[in-house]
Amino acid sequence: AQSVTQPDIHITVSEGASLELRCNYSYGATPYLFWYVQSPGQGLQLLLKYFSGDTLVQGIKGFEAEFKRSQSSFNLRKPSVHWSDAAEYFCAVLTGTASKLTFGTGTRLQVTL
Amino acid sequence: DSGVTQTPKHLITATGQRVTLRCSPRSGDLSVYWYQQSLDQGLQFLIQYYNGEERAKGNILERFSAQQFPDLHSELNLSSLELGDSALYFCASSPPTTDTQYFGPGTRLTVL
Repeated sequence: AQSVTQPDIHITVSEGASLELRCNYSYGATPYLFWYVQSPGQGLQLLLKYFSGDTLVQGIKGFEAEFKRSQSSFNLRKPSVHWSDAAEYFCAVLTGTASKLTFGTGTRLQVTL
Repeated sequence: DSGVTQTPKHLITATGQRVTLRCSPRSGDLSVYWYQQSLDQGLQFLIQYYNGEERAKGNILERFSAQQFPDLHSELNLSSLELGDSALYFCASSPPTTDTQYFGPGTRLTVL
């Protein structure tokens, strides 16, 4: 069965520091992968997606993610974090036949000033 | 703002009651998805509709049902509510040309 693992439940970084959020997936075929962000009391906002092609994808708000098939990973990165990036981040994989998203458990990002 | 709207924003009700959550997809999107977000289960897919037809079912309880109307808006009906149904319910929509899902702001359901 398809699954997504986000090993870090909570991460704290200083404003201006770099960020990497980990995501590992389990899926038999070529995965369609997504990162969403959820701010407190808000819905899920799409940051970026990978369907095929270039394995380094750029998203909104200065985020990028790299698809590594050999490691079954799709880690999210940002070179310099802003205080407004504090939120919960979800990695998800699309299961092709049902077109449903399977989400990881999320990583809560705290940014210290 | 994703363009997906959900009403109401908050809903407080009692056990045993029935509620209806409403979702309007983005203009042009034919698919509507419902997800439940709870502390113990995380984000779980419930059901998908495409142009009025049920397309896929996930971990949706028999007490829950949904439909998509000719104008493409969708409703999720939750009946015989239990305390454990308290959660955030999200609707998402996607256009016919891509599998990218855009989420609404959610409806927070509290069952007392």
